[in-house]
Amino acid sequence: SAVISQKPSRDICQRGTSLTIQCQVDSQVTMMFWYRQQPGQSLTLIATANQGSEATYESGFVIDKFPISRPNLTFSTLTVSNMSPEDSSIYLCSVRRAEANEKLFFGSGTQLSVL
Amino acid sequence: AQTVTQSQPEMSVQEAETVTLSCTYDTSENNYYLFWYKQPPSRQMILVIRQEAYKQQNATENRFSVNFQKAAKSFSLKISDSQLGDTAMYFCAFAMDTGRRALTFGSGTRLQVQP
Repeated sequence: SAVISQKPSRDICQRGTSLTIQCQVDSQVTMMFWYRQQPGQSLTLIATANQGSEATYESGFVIDKFPISRPNLTFSTLTVSNMSPEDSSIYLCSVRRAEANEKLFFGSGTQLSVL
Repeated sequence: AQTVTQSQPEMSVQEAETVTLSCTYDTSENNYYLFWYKQPPSRQMILVIRQEAYKQQNATENRFSVNFQKAAKSFSLKISDSQLGDTAMYFCAFAMDTGRRALTFGSGTRLQVQP
């Protein structure tokens, strides 16, 4: 399985501030995905992070609110901007590993609480 | 767009017994992947099992097996000899065989294994 390091594991933030979440993978991957899991809910795809190009956002998610960087094939960041209590969720990064027969693996998630 | 439905919000099973979790999906695609993920309280998403739609043989991983009915668009998970460590949320997920192959998740089933 992939080793995916996600930081921070949890944070408590004030309304109106921003938080950047980091995702580091132990080997190069083409695509990295960012998901949101609201309390008691399932996972919803926010965006796909492509190296060398802008991220592809799903309906209901915009770049101004969730800017994503993908500077190389092993690293990505997701920023949650101008936070409100409704942004309180678990945020997870995920990668697909070609050498693992295209299986998808997840980081351990970031538990975000916005006061 | 693809949809994944899990109609059992919660289930309970006695230790050492067998339990089956249900999942149905809707797609117009012919080639795709189906997954079951486990999410314990640690919130880590753990891949339990994967099924390729082009394979007629049902996937098996130790105590976990699936019943894949492509025509009926059904993908159930059977857990044999249930263990206390199987207590978790279980998510059924779908991914296309082309393009970004991001996951679409069902709403989840909370499984409690009773001693």
